[in-house]
Amino acid sequence: ILNVEQSPQSLHVQEGDSTNFTCSFPSSNFYALHWYRWETAKSPEALFVMTLNGDEKKKGRISATLNTKEGYSYLYIKGSQPEDSATYLCARDDYKLSFGAGTTVTVRA
Amino acid sequence: DTGVSQDPRHKITKRGQNVTFRCDPISEHNRLYWYRQTLGQGPEFLTYFQNEAQLEKSRLLSDRFSAERPKGSFSTLEIQRTEQGDSAMYLCASSTNRAGQSYNEQFFGPGTRLTVL
Repeated sequence: ILNVEQSPQSLHVQEGDSTNFTCSFPSSNFYALHWYRWETAKSPEALFVMTLNGDEKKKGRISATLNTKEGYSYLYIKGSQPEDSATYLCARDDYKLSFGAGTTVTVRA
Repeated sequence: DTGVSQDPRHKITKRGQNVTFRCDPISEHNRLYWYRQTLGQGPEFLTYFQNEAQLEKSRLLSDRFSAERPKGSFSTLEIQRTEQGDSAMYLCASSTNRAGQSYNEQFFGPGTRLTVL
């Protein structure tokens, strides 16, 4: 993998359902992976910084895992709510951030 | 509000005009970054300052683009002779060195959306 890639590009979730999506990144010379949530007309908000293989982080109903050997991270949203609607960006940390294109989540009430 | 601020939030200009954007980072942060996001893409790195020194510029940053951080606090990004392809969201972020921290936690502003007609 040469670039940071995210899939799917977008997804629609029924309120109350759980969902997850993927970030793939080059695994060589890895320092950290960042997850951001970006709501329309707001600043991207930092969710997690993950550094160690096997890391699991949790913030409320949102959690993330990290596999640095194979170069992927999953973000999970449990019991989706309308306020979870946003674009979720992952970024590989090379002091400057290399972002994926994001996964746009729309939660239907 | 002690977060990163950017001004203006929106800018509409005609092709060929010059535009300037401002970023005010979190006050104690010594690093400042500019990124650009176009439709369907993630933010792409443009340039980076440590204090007042511009340490890196992406090859995305053509000669029409110039960035400054004269006193190591706020920064400006100027685009000369704008083109329609410059239409994008321009994001600013800041960070600081923390002892023992291997990663670079960046805090973002809300961005300036540029539309070139």
